[in-house]
Amino acid sequence: GNSVTQMEGPVTLSEEAFLTINCTYTATGYPSLFWYVQYPGEGLQLLLKATKADDKGSNKGFEATYRKETTSFHLEKGSVQVSDSAVYFCALLNPLNTGTASKLTFGTGTRLQVTL
Amino acid sequence: DAGVIQSPRHEVTEMGQEVTLRCKPISGHNSLFWYRQTMMRGLELLIYFNNNVPIDDSGMPEDRFSAKMPNASFSTLKIQPSEPRDSAVYFCASSLIGGYTFGSGTRLTVV
Repeated sequence: GNSVTQMEGPVTLSEEAFLTINCTYTATGYPSLFWYVQYPGEGLQLLLKATKADDKGSNKGFEATYRKETTSFHLEKGSVQVSDSAVYFCALLNPLNTGTASKLTFGTGTRLQVTL
Repeated sequence: DAGVIQSPRHEVTEMGQEVTLRCKPISGHNSLFWYRQTMMRGLELLIYFNNNVPIDDSGMPEDRFSAKMPNASFSTLKIQPSEPRDSAVYFCASSLIGGYTFGSGTRLTVV
């Protein structure tokens, strides 16, 4: 079956520090991969995505590269800000499952806290 | 586009009462998902619909929970009777191909 594993949080960083949140997946075939972000009191928002191996998704200074050889999609940002404090969810969509509906498989989420 | 619209944003009710949560998906999206989020369990998929038809309700916790999608622009999640352990944030999301758009959620408190 499909599964997503994220690093345990919370992750606490000082402003301008480098961020990495690890994500690995298990799936048959060639899934699409996503990062969603949830700010306090809000729903999840799509942050970035990659649909095939070696693709790099990027948005708002965040990047993640689809690595098929290591089945990973780690989220990185070179310099975090206090406003990046949120919960980050890694997710996959397996095209083998799109016969009935496009159902995402989510990781458990990683809370990021950025301090001044 | 107004996005996925959920109502109410907050609901406080007494144990035993019926609660109905509402969701209006994005026009043109053909899949709709109901999630529950708690600190203990994280994000749980309760049920999802494709073209208004329920596809998988295996995440619905028990018979007290029911969901309907009478047309492409409206869905409800009902809890009857409600219990304190149902307190959570309930999210609705819709999609066309792959990417989800989430609503802002309904924070339910059962006292």
